[in-house]
Amino acid sequence: EVQLVESGGGVVQPGGSLRLSCAASGFTFTSYWMHWVRQVPGEGLVWVARIIGDGSGPRYADSVKGRFTISRDNAKNTVYLQMSNLRAEDTAVYYCTRGYVDFWGQGTLVTVSS
Amino acid sequence: DIQMTQSPSSLSASVGDRVTITCRASQGIRNDLGWYQQKPGKAPKRLIYAASSLQSGVPSRFSGSGSGTEFTLTISSLQPEDFATYYCLQHNSYPFTFGGGTKVEIK
Repeated sequence: EVQLVESGGGVVQPGGSLRLSCAASGFTFTSYWMHWVRQVPGEGLVWVARIIGDGSGPRYADSVKGRFTISRDNAKNTVYLQMSNLRAEDTAVYYCTRGYVDFWGQGTLVTVSS
Repeated sequence: DIQMTQSPSSLSASVGDRVTITCRASQGIRNDLGWYQQKPGKAPKRLIYAASSLQSGVPSRFSGSGSGTEFTLTISSLQPEDFATYYCLQHNSYPFTFGGGTKVEIK
């Protein structure tokens, strides 16, 4: 059974940093691109970042470029999102998804507030 | 960036009704489109991939059609568990972009 389990969310002050993790199981992790997608509570879905199976070729939404870094540890079947210089508008539930966005994790809430 | 215009943004329907939701892409995306259902407090669930292929385990009352710039999700006979918000997603080019969502409510 495919499982994606996010962790690392919480409350952080503006300008602060946070690292999200997504632990994957039930499929061949290295065969899949991995993505982060976010959703402000009550609003729509926004794609954030993607990384290829071997860890190369990161792509980012313009809104996070230069502040967020996506990476993966294929030995641990885990993908990460390092978020820096956080802003109030980064407050959202962050979801981990795979491939052509078929399976999703349950999400982790990030709140940027003083 | 490719813009995905989804309509309507909300609709009210009764159990048993046929429901149609549309997504228009600002440029051609072949059939690189999925449809998702999201219930409150839950992660989205993919219903349709490659514009018209039914995800395993999804009831056959859901169907998708279209190619290029115009796409449709149809629910042939709305069931109580179908009241939710639906999104389209294009994965033809980066950044991937979602439609704005359609909230399906009980009439």
